Amino acid sequence: EDKVVQSPLSLVVHEGDTVTLNCSYEVTNFRSLLWYKQEKKAPTFLFMLTSSGIEKKSGRLSSILDKKELFSILNITATQTGDSAVYLCAVVNAGGTSYGKLTFGQGTILTVHP
Amino acid sequence: KAGVTQTPRYLIKTRGQQVTLSCSPISGHRSVSWYQQTPGQGLQFLFEYFSETQRNKGNFPGRFSGRQFSNSRSEMNVSTLELGDSALYLCASSLLAGGTGELFFGEGSRLTVL
Repeated sequence: EDKVVQSPLSLVVHEGDTVTLNCSYEVTNFRSLLWYKQEKKAPTFLFMLTSSGIEKKSGRLSSILDKKELFSILNITATQTGDSAVYLCAVVNAGGTSYGKLTFGQGTILTVHP
Repeated sequence: KAGVTQTPRYLIKTRGQQVTLSCSPISGHRSVSWYQQTPGQGLQFLFEYFSETQRNKGNFPGRFSGRQFSNSRSEMNVSTLELGDSALYLCASSLLAGGTGELFFGEGSRLTVL
């Protein structure tokens, strides 16, 4: 069974700090790894990672995948109170009866204080 | 461009009843997937539909079913409701099937079973 473990489960920082969120996974047939941000409403897409070692970047957020060690990190620099949210990591299975199935981690709750 | 629309947003049912939830995807998207989100289990994949066909299914009992119509709108049904079915049910649409495209989530239907 596919599995995704995120750490830490929660994190409290002050504005301006840099944070690193971790996601390790086990999947029978890896297609991609996704990061989402969830505030009070629907999760919103951040990144899709398919290739190892290539950093994806969007403003203050960046993410990288290590397919050999089966993990990904999401970095947020110069955090702002608007970054407070649950960050979700998911892997997509590419094979057989699990084709296209997403498995999510428990999420990391990030709280940024002013 | 209208986003993913889920109805109803909130509903309360009693044990043993059944419920039908609706999801209208973004125009042009043919893939609709459903997820159950609870505090204890996080986000769990229910099933995905593409062009009216169920592509894959998560590890949920047969009480959970779904369908997709020719206009890509999807419904999910839960029969013989149990207390443990209380959750936020999220629908996501995508241009491509099998987790190959970005998922756009609706705001969810919050089901409470008494």
